[in-house]
Amino acid sequence: ETGVTQSPTHLIKTRGQQVTLRCSSQSGHNTVSWYQQALGQGPQFIFQYYREEENGRGNFPPRFSGLQFPNYSSELNVNALELDDSALYLCASSLVQQETQYFGPGTRLLVL
Amino acid sequence: DQQVKQNSPSLSVQEGRISILNCDYTNSMFDYFLWYKKYPAEGPTFLISISSIKDKNEDGRFTVFLNKSAKHLSLHIVPSQPGDSAVYFCAAKWLTGANSKLTFGKGITLSVRP
Repeated sequence: ETGVTQSPTHLIKTRGQQVTLRCSSQSGHNTVSWYQQALGQGPQFIFQYYREEENGRGNFPPRFSGLQFPNYSSELNVNALELDDSALYLCASSLVQQETQYFGPGTRLLVL
Repeated sequence: DQQVKQNSPSLSVQEGRISILNCDYTNSMFDYFLWYKKYPAEGPTFLISISSIKDKNEDGRFTVFLNKSAKHLSLHIVPSQPGDSAVYFCAAKWLTGANSKLTFGKGITLSVRP
């Protein structure tokens, strides 16, 4: 059974640029959630995708957007990057309504 | 407004002793609770969970206790081992909510001294 994978592992961007982060779900999981973890904080829910549609969103502006593909992989896109977007971005997969979410290793984004 | 609180940022215990990590929550709609462990440069790893219909769940060295009236849960690790040194996150969710989002605390850094 393959776990959750994310790419890239690290990324450096400058303010105003756009970034795309990628996630492959654990085998058999059809729900993907994205979280942002700032330094010294717990992960914060960005949004969740189920059956290729957004299924809930946290307190993040519209410049954070996502996609889920038929194979359940997912992308997180962030436009007009700001310095405060520097964080670890975590992807988690689960079966819908399953209690446990399984996390990938994360993508460390640095915005200069 | 932090709905899941881990008020102690760090804990240091001797190898072989018990580690007790505490977590409080404010949202009474939460009905499922999870603990995750996180090593540097890795994603959170699921440890143990508990439903609000129970007050205790045990898995090997790990036991989680839930006190609904106090909106408090704790993770006990017995005996503690140096490999348990990591950041521990408490998370909560509302099972019947529109989605299965997790609300996390800020985490507790556990250090187990040999």
